[in-house]
Amino acid sequence: KNEVEQSPQNLTAQEGEFITINCSYSVGISALHWLQQHPGGGIVSLFMLSSGKKKHGRLIATINIQEKHSSLHITASHPRDSAVYICAVHQGAQKLVFGQGTRLTINP
Amino acid sequence: ETGVTQSPTHLIKTRGQQVTLRCSSQSGHNTVSWYQQALGQGPQFIFQYYREEENGRGNFPPRFSGLQFPNYSSELNVNALELDDSALYLCASSPASGANVLTFGAGSRLTVL
Repeated sequence: KNEVEQSPQNLTAQEGEFITINCSYSVGISALHWLQQHPGGGIVSLFMLSSGKKKHGRLIATINIQEKHSSLHITASHPRDSAVYICAVHQGAQKLVFGQGTRLTINP
Repeated sequence: ETGVTQSPTHLIKTRGQQVTLRCSSQSGHNTVSWYQQALGQGPQFIFQYYREEENGRGNFPPRFSGLQFPNYSSELNVNALELDDSALYLCASSPASGANVLTFGAGSRLTVL
């Protein structure tokens, strides 16, 4: 079993739909990242969380430390949101452990 | 403020050869981490360099080695390339070891034939 599990692995939705991507982890962490990866490879950091909730534009990220679970929500989804979304946790000072990613496709 | 730049962006090697990948960290960042991302998988931690010393290593064999230079740029070297080394190699810099702020480069895509 992977230390970081994401669901779903693939998600296709229509423009305007509310999107939720889930991340569960089994190790102690100091922080959790939500990352966005577009075709071609470059990764952009969306959020870093150690507790509670953060919001940036149409994106919302939450984390429940007790339940070892985090969610990324996208409101009013748009085709340009199509990408792979990756959850990653800081395990110790150096090591970042990644989930396998969720491939999101938003159709017009 | 410049971001993280990696070179080359793409390269093709044959089995048994050696490769060097390069990463320039973001201005003000002294820590560089390297990750390997196989197709369809999440990235895997290779190692981290802080102040020119290796500062943590993932489950990769010794033929994966690295360097960090006084300007905090870094190299990843892979010897005796194997077909399974084909992957996207990502570099990320951070302001200090253990800092949770990360800036990723666009990656170097290595194909081993």
